Amino acid sequence: GQQLNQSPQSMFIQEGEDVSMNCTSSSIFNTWLWYKQDPGEGPVLLIALYKAGELTSNGRLTAQFGITRKDSFLNISASIPSDVGIYFCAGLINAGGTSYGKLTFGQGTILTVHP
Amino acid sequence: ETGVTQSPTHLIKTRGQQVTLRCSSQSGHNTVSWYQQALGQGPQFIFQYYREEENGRGNFPPRFSGLQFPNYSSELNVNALELDDSALYLCASTTDLVADTQYFGPGTRLTVL
Repeated sequence: GQQLNQSPQSMFIQEGEDVSMNCTSSSIFNTWLWYKQDPGEGPVLLIALYKAGELTSNGRLTAQFGITRKDSFLNISASIPSDVGIYFCAGLINAGGTSYGKLTFGQGTILTVHP
Repeated sequence: ETGVTQSPTHLIKTRGQQVTLRCSSQSGHNTVSWYQQALGQGPQFIFQYYREEENGRGNFPPRFSGLQFPNYSSELNVNALELDDSALYLCASTTDLVADTQYFGPGTRLTVL
C-alpha cells in the first residue's frame, strides 16, 4: 500500500532550538496534515495544508505543502519542553469515486527537548 | 479534549479469541474511522463507517469488522485474534465523509498473548 517516508526518525534538541522534519510520498495527496501524539493519547491535528505550495503557520509551527504534492515539511521554532512527543505527517486523497477520508500516516518523528 | 472516548483502555486476550472495542463520538459526528497503530509505527487505516454503513476499507482481512449506531457510538470487532493484532486501536470521528479534521480518541491498547 501507500507509504509516507518521514524523517528523521528521532531528534534530540536543546530548548530554544528550531526543529525541522519532512515527509515524502511516491503518490500525490490532495491534503497534507501534521499531527502530534502524546503518550496515552490519540493524534491531535496541528496543521492542515490544502494547496500545492501552501505555507501555513500555527503559532511556532510552520508547515508547507510541496509543489509536487508528494512532500511536506514541518518546522517548530524556539522549541520548549512541552513540544516533546511524536509528530506524524498524514496524507489525504479524495480521488475519483473514492469518497472517504482515509488518512495515510508516516512512521513518526520522536522529538525530545532537553531543558 | 476531543470529545471522543474509547473503552476499554487496555485489554489482554489470547490467540484465537474474539474482541470488541468501543468508541463514542461527539454528537453530530456521523463518520467514524478505525486505525491500528503498532508500536513505533504510524496509524494504519482499517475502515470507515458513514451513517451506519461501511464506506471504505484498508488492507485488513474480513475478521476485522465494525458497527456504527445511531447514537454516535461504534464498535470494532476482531475475530480469531493473532499475535500481530497487538496494537493501539484508535477511532476518529468527524461530521463529513472526507473531512480532514478527524478527532481521535485516546485508543485501546490490545495485547494478544
